Amino acid sequence: DTGVSQDPRHKITKRGQNVTFRCDPISEHNRLYWYRQTLGQGPEFLTYFQNEAQLEKSRLLSDRFSAERPKGSFSTLEIQRTEQGDSAMYLCASSLGGSVWDNEQFFGPGTRLTVL
Amino acid sequence: LAKTTQPISMDSYEGQEVNITCSHNNIATNDYITWYQQFPSQGPRFIIQGYKTKVTNEVASLFIPADRKSSTLSLPRVSLSDTAVYYCLVGDRDYGGATNKLIFGTGTLLAVQP
Repeated sequence: DTGVSQDPRHKITKRGQNVTFRCDPISEHNRLYWYRQTLGQGPEFLTYFQNEAQLEKSRLLSDRFSAERPKGSFSTLEIQRTEQGDSAMYLCASSLGGSVWDNEQFFGPGTRLTVL
Repeated sequence: LAKTTQPISMDSYEGQEVNITCSHNNIATNDYITWYQQFPSQGPRFIIQGYKTKVTNEVASLFIPADRKSSTLSLPRVSLSDTAVYYCLVGDRDYGGATNKLIFGTGTLLAVQP
């Protein structure tokens, strides 16, 4: 399967713990996005990478959240001191870029986080 | 930033054509209109994108009137497997940095019955 993969698919943690999620984009895609989705809502943008550079962060992304994309390949999203409000599906997407009009993003299956 | 409005839910039967309309009164001149589909516990999937008039691919058609203040996604002959949430998006774009984050609304839940 050459699509976007995410690991783990499910994560249950206790409040106050740190968690880290991994995303492997489609290999030739230089753009990578993280979104968060809660029940009944559409995905909300969190952050965006072009190659290894993090070019935009949403105001939703508090200081407890950090994302990296070393060497422009896979990406990690870490949440420190988790809170119950962090419970959501975390989605990763990648796109080929190369055009300002590139709206075709390929999403992974997501990581469902439950904070107890 | 253009905001989109679409019905919360729609019902249909297998074999029927389904049309989901989205309004986007404040669409910018350079914005494209994009539709995504999402099944439960999966990430969204790109369906179709257009700028004006009509676009057709193997799964859907997209109709956009001249004023571009609305668009209609048409799904021909739906089946049970088309039951999903459908999102209409008008992208938020940073022209300088080419950031291309997608702005999702709550979407339209399409329920196809036998």
